[in-house]
This record gives sequence, structure tokens and C-alpha cells, in this order.
Amino acid sequence: QKEVEQNSGPLSVPEGAIASLNCTYSDRGSQSFFWYRQYSGKSPELIMFIYSNGDKEDGRFTAQLNKASQYVSLLIRDSQPSDSATYLCAVNQNQGGKLIFGQGTELSVKP
Amino acid sequence: DTGVSQDPRHKITKRGQNVTFRCDPISEHNRLYWYRQTLGQGPEFLTYFQNEAQLEKSRLLSDRFSAERPKGSFSTLEIQRTEQGDSAMYLCASSLTPTEAFFGQGTRLTVV
Repeated sequence: QKEVEQNSGPLSVPEGAIASLNCTYSDRGSQSFFWYRQYSGKSPELIMFIYSNGDKEDGRFTAQLNKASQYVSLLIRDSQPSDSATYLCAVNQNQGGKLIFGQGTELSVKP
Repeated sequence: DTGVSQDPRHKITKRGQNVTFRCDPISEHNRLYWYRQTLGQGPEFLTYFQNEAQLEKSRLLSDRFSAERPKGSFSTLEIQRTEQGDSAMYLCASSLTPTEAFFGQGTRLTVV
């Protein structure tokens, strides 16, 4: 079992729709959770991080964490074509800051 | 530019040659990380520095790989006797806390 798992996609949504990206992790001791966006040929860019169970909202983005189910999700409201990218889920298992990444989900937002 | 800077951006080398990459973190960041990313995969952790101390190394980091961060500022990653399997994007990231790690643009290595 991979430590962090994501569906590779591609996930295709129409412009203006809600895109839902999911991630599961195996280490129950994981402490913090991150979503990065990566455009083709570019480096990962931090979108959000979340520590506590529940929802965290930032603009059009909402991160959801359920530690009991070992599940993290990212919702993107009012999806735009510029949101088309690969979304990487990452987990921090200790205080060192080392991140374990999933393989990423490719999102395509169609005009 | 106050972001993480990596040099070179691209490197093509022949198998068996040694290569060295440099990373300049955001100036106040004391934590520095190296990752490797291959096509279609997420970044894989290689090693981590807090100031000048190398605190963690992945078992992915074979004896051919070495990283340094003298004086706790810039860092170098050296790969000796490169193999075709070393072809990847090498990413450096820095952070002030174990939370918001910011990535550089990466060094794309091609071993021919």
C-alpha cells in the first residue's frame, strides 16, 4: 500500500463546476496535510494546508480532513480553465517537515 | 527575486559522469529539502537540512548521492557516476516552519 494515494485521473469538469479531488493516507500518525498545484513543466505550488478535522476554506478552495477515515480532499468551486493542472496531496508525518506525496491527480477544466 | 533558486535549470550528462546541482533557499528559511520527481509521479523525498545539519536521508539516496549545506545557506546535491535511472527533475524546497514549503523551479537532469 502506498503511503499517500490519489486517483491519477484525468478528472474532467466543465467550467464553473465543482472539482473534487481525493487523497487517502496510511500513517495514522500523520500530522499535517497539504495540497499543491503543479502546472506542466513547473514546480509544485502550495495551495492549502490543514491540520484539524473538518473544513478549511480559502477563496474558491476548501480542504477537508477526516483523520478517522484517513482521508483528505480538495474542493475547487467555480472551476476555471486556469485550474487545469496536476494536484498533489502531501502528508507530513513528523515535525521535520518532510513531505510524502501522492502521485497527483490531473484536473482538466473544459470551457 | 526572493524565491527558491536552483541552478542549472537543465543538465544533460553522459552516463558515468558526476553532476552537481545548487539550491539557494529563501533567505530566512532554515529548513531545506531535496526531492526527485519523475514523469507522472509525485515528488519523492531525498534529504532534509535544518540549518547546516543533515537531519534525514531517504534510503533512495544511494552512496552515489551526497548533499551538503555549508553554513546553513545554499545547498548542493552531487550525483556521482550517473546512471540513466537518475534522469528526473530534482526539486529543492525551503521553509521556515514544518508547514509551508516553497519549491524552486527544479533542475531537469537527463543522463544519456
